[in-house]
Amino acid sequence: AQSVTQLDSQVPVFEEAPVELRCNYSSSVSVYLFWYVQYPNQGLQLLLKYLSGSTLVKGINGFEAEFNKSQTSFHLRKPSVHISDTAEYFCAAVGSSNTGKLIFGQGTTLQVKP
Amino acid sequence: ETGVTQSPTHLIKTRGQQVTLRCSSQSGHNTVSWYQQALGQGPQFIFQYYREEENGRGNFPPRFSGLQFPNYSSELNVNALELDDSALYLCASSDPRGLRGGYTFGSGTRLTVV
Repeated sequence: AQSVTQLDSQVPVFEEAPVELRCNYSSSVSVYLFWYVQYPNQGLQLLLKYLSGSTLVKGINGFEAEFNKSQTSFHLRKPSVHISDTAEYFCAAVGSSNTGKLIFGQGTTLQVKP
Repeated sequence: ETGVTQSPTHLIKTRGQQVTLRCSSQSGHNTVSWYQQALGQGPQFIFQYYREEENGRGNFPPRFSGLQFPNYSSELNVNALELDDSALYLCASSDPRGLRGGYTFGSGTRLTVV
């Protein structure tokens, strides 16, 4: 079955510390991968995407992610977080169909503490 | 560039009623998708419209239906509302590049069924 798994439901971290949010995808989905951020009471904002090419993808707000085909992972990282990064983060993959259907993980709540 | 706008922002309906949610896609975007996001969950794909026709559907019953208009705006209709239909409904649009252009999400409509 097609699936995306986010390994941590909550990640608490202190301000200015590095963070990694983990995401694994099933091999049955295509390797189009995305990270979205959702602030309270808002929609989803695209942080970054991997479609092809370099396995290290840089996004907005200082985030980056690395595509690892052998481990079927697409972990999100930031070297130094800010209070304003507190939000829900979703990893997503495109299903194998041609519709462009996005399959989302359950989400990871990033809690940045002062 | 106005982005994706959804209306209304919040809605309360009674079980058994019908509801229509609306979405105006971003300028230049010709594909619209709808997602249901239950509390504490990742978004789930409902369906996608391209050139006014449904071209992909998730695991949702037929009482979830939609329309896309010539100006690429879209409606999501849900008949015979059930309590479990309470969720945030997100609309996403994409341009002719599809995946490469990415998906732009609206802020959603929060539907509460009582």
